[in-house]
Amino acid sequence: GENVEQHPSTLSVQEGDSAVIKCTYSDSASNYFPWYKQELGKRPQLIIDIRSNVGEKKDQRIAVTLNKTAKHFSLHITETQPEDSAVYFCAARAGFQKLVFGTGTRLLVSP
Amino acid sequence: GAVVSQHPSWVICKSGTSVKIECRSLDFQATTMFWYRQFPKQSLMLMATSNEGSKATYEQGVEKDKFLINHASLTLSTLTVTSAHPEDSSFYICSARDLRQGEEGQFFGPGTRLTVL
Repeated sequence: GENVEQHPSTLSVQEGDSAVIKCTYSDSASNYFPWYKQELGKRPQLIIDIRSNVGEKKDQRIAVTLNKTAKHFSLHITETQPEDSAVYFCAARAGFQKLVFGTGTRLLVSP
Repeated sequence: GAVVSQHPSWVICKSGTSVKIECRSLDFQATTMFWYRQFPKQSLMLMATSNEGSKATYEQGVEKDKFLINHASLTLSTLTVTSAHPEDSSFYICSARDLRQGEEGQFFGPGTRLTVL
């Protein structure tokens, strides 16, 4: 089955810096890669996703890149703000199979 | 966007009692619902997948007799934790999909925090 690894587990940056979170997956059949932001005690919220037929997708300060050959995908947040502080999860899914989550990255943005 | 609700948002119960958690899709029909459990500072772990009108598929290591899942309609799934014990204390989150809408579109409920005394 699919296995998703996520790094780093914690990431501290200064406000305005960029943050990068990286994930690797094992199942070459995976074709959908969402990223979720979860604040303490709340539901995961989808912030961006990418399909396997696209190499990069951007939405304002957030971008995701996908390298299918290496089975890597990454989340890039530019101009970080304190409100970006949260736990971020990557995930991978093959077709109609179950979504498999990474272990999470705790991002702390200091003012 | 699609909305998924959960009830209750939190519950405290005594050891040995059963607790039922409801998950509803409010503005769409969910052919498939997923139940996750999340311990503090950990990732979401899938417990089971349920398709409307059929038995749930449980992940390895999840006791089907302890975590009863019912998905009787396209808008409601329930998770019953039977004979709850303190180690069952966790954050339970449901998620719903309408497979007729394609591969994407998996929406999460707000979660239920269960504390077993």
